[in-house]
Amino acid sequence: ILNVEQSPQSLHVQEGDSTNFTCSFPSSNFYALHWYRWETAKSPEALFVMTLNGDEKKKGRISATLNTKEGYSYLYIKGSQPEDSATYLCASSRGGSQGNLIFGKGTKLSVKP
Amino acid sequence: NAGVTQTPKFQVLKTGQSMTLQCAQDMNHNSMYWYRQDPGMGLRLIYYSASEGTTDKGEVPNGYNVSRLNKREFSLRLESAAPSQTSVYFCASARGTSYEQYFGPGTRLTVT
Repeated sequence: ILNVEQSPQSLHVQEGDSTNFTCSFPSSNFYALHWYRWETAKSPEALFVMTLNGDEKKKGRISATLNTKEGYSYLYIKGSQPEDSATYLCASSRGGSQGNLIFGKGTKLSVKP
Repeated sequence: NAGVTQTPKFQVLKTGQSMTLQCAQDMNHNSMYWYRQDPGMGLRLIYYSASEGTTDKGEVPNGYNVSRLNKREFSLRLESAAPSQTSVYFCASARGTSYEQYFGPGTRLTVT
């Protein structure tokens, strides 16, 4: 069974702070790593999908990196804003069952004005 | 474009009753997925269809069946509902298994 772990479980920051979260996953037979943003009472929205070791992706103030050899990914938010408050989910899949996406339990971010 | 639609939005069932949750997408996506979301458990994959004509089990398939009716539609059936199946169910679709997934609005199911 693929185990995807996220830390921290929750995070409280001030507006303007930069922050980062970690996603750990088994490195053997890695296929893809997804990041999603989930606001309360809404549906998850995709941020990034990464497949290659060393991949770095950026969308506005949010960026992510991927290390498939050691099995971790970081999500960075630069200059956090109150609208960044959400739960950030990562999910991973393995070769041979590429569609079988296993999600971590998420990091809940609260940004105070 | 409506994206991913799910029906119904809410449902209450008695133990032992059956029902089918419907999901449709209008993005011409190849892959479709069914998840359940429970407090403290995150999102867990029930079944997925990597492409039209195929279905595979996810992490928690017991008690469920699926049908990929055509490229647009992917339904989830509960044959004999149990209280443990009380959850919020999300359908999602993607161009393929290495692409971002687009989620529907969810169906809140309560089994009494």
